[in-house]
Amino acid sequence: AQKITQTQPGMFVQEKEAVTLDCTYDTSDQSYGLFWYKQPSSGEMIFLIYQGSYDEQNATEGRYSLNFQKARKSANLVISASQLGDSAMYFCVHPQGGKLIFGQGTELSVKP
Amino acid sequence: ETGVTQSPTHLIKTRGQQVTLRCSSQSGHNTVSWYQQALGQGPQFIFQYYREEENGRGNFPPRFSGLQFPNYSSELNVNALELDDSALYLCASSSPGRDYEQYFGPGTRLTVT
Repeated sequence: AQKITQTQPGMFVQEKEAVTLDCTYDTSDQSYGLFWYKQPSSGEMIFLIYQGSYDEQNATEGRYSLNFQKARKSANLVISASQLGDSAMYFCVHPQGGKLIFGQGTELSVKP
Repeated sequence: ETGVTQSPTHLIKTRGQQVTLRCSSQSGHNTVSWYQQALGQGPQFIFQYYREEENGRGNFPPRFSGLQFPNYSSELNVNALELDDSALYLCASSSPGRDYEQYFGPGTRLTVT
């Protein structure tokens, strides 16, 4: 069964520092993708970044980058220069057959 | 371009009652998916609708049902509400051939007492 594991229920980071949120996945698909979404306290899911399994480069979107290690089945999100507005829940997501499979989430708190 | 909208924002119901949640998809999107997110958990897939037909279902009982209309808007109906149905219900829409790229609405927070 496809599964996403996020082992960090909560993380703290100092403003302006970088932080890495961990994600491991289990899939039998040969070609697949992985997303990260941000969910502020308002509840809306905000798309951050996408990585395809056959992409040669790690995905980057502004301050977000994905440390993709296919052999280890990990897709860690790196946020550089953290801002107070980055405080939110972060979900690692695997699309499969039209549905999205979410990890348990990591709650990130950015300290001033 | 109008994003995904959901109504109502919040809802309080009593155990045993029935509830209908509504979702309007983003312009150009013909696929709508519904997710249930319990407090402190990741969202769980309920079902997906494509061209007014159910196109995949997660591990939810039949008292969770849905509809999609010709304008691609959608409803989620839950009968015989239970306390565990208290959650944030998220709707997401996607465009033809890109159902892996889903755009979410703000959600409806349902409380069952």
